[in-house]
Amino acid sequence: SQQGEEDPQALSIQEGENATMNCSYKTSINNLQWYRQNSGRGLVHLILIRSNEREKHSGRLRVTLDTSKKSSSLLITASRAADTASYFCATAMNRDDKIIFGKGTRLHILP
Amino acid sequence: NAGVMQNPRHLVRRRGQEARLRCSPVKGHSHVYWYRQLPEEGLKFMVYLQKENIIDESGMPKERFSAEFPKEGPSILRIQQVVRGDSAAYFCASSPIAGTGNEQFFGPGTRLTVL
Repeated sequence: SQQGEEDPQALSIQEGENATMNCSYKTSINNLQWYRQNSGRGLVHLILIRSNEREKHSGRLRVTLDTSKKSSSLLITASRAADTASYFCATAMNRDDKIIFGKGTRLHILP
Repeated sequence: NAGVMQNPRHLVRRRGQEARLRCSPVKGHSHVYWYRQLPEEGLKFMVYLQKENIIDESGMPKERFSAEFPKEGPSILRIQQVVRGDSAAYFCASSPIAGTGNEQFFGPGTRLTVL
């Protein structure tokens, strides 16, 4: 069963702008992760945020988690052409459980 | 540091043949996960293995699919008597820590095409 659902499904923005992607999930979680996948490649881990955390930063990435709304957002600031990829959220209900991926947001950065 | 390696990268099989996909985890990682991805879809969990043990195979079809992670050598995902619906990208991931709710390191995937 699918747990996380990203929104929007696709997003096109101009280089330099900020990109925001959202993820909603259905059940309580232990942690939520964001991954990036370039076309035809494997996934690259971006950030893991635990259920007791509200915000995390990594370079140009900012992730928030609102457990009351069962949602997370990924913000990429000052976007670059190299940010063009699909972005997936993945949730784990507990530390020993499998992680469930959403269908992803396809981000396209326009030059 | 070598990451997760998968081979072959592309595999073409005819219906009824066997497909054998290999995954070498990051050196020192003893936890391996297999996922399947259809076009425009997210990854679907198939199986979680530790050395010589299957921990969770709840996402793997009961028939035709099997996985192993022997004491020596790569993890193998085996699909017997492939059908067209098996065509997909199969990704392997590894982690140094027990439990799937942790960061996983992904390989480049094997793209299986069944003719």
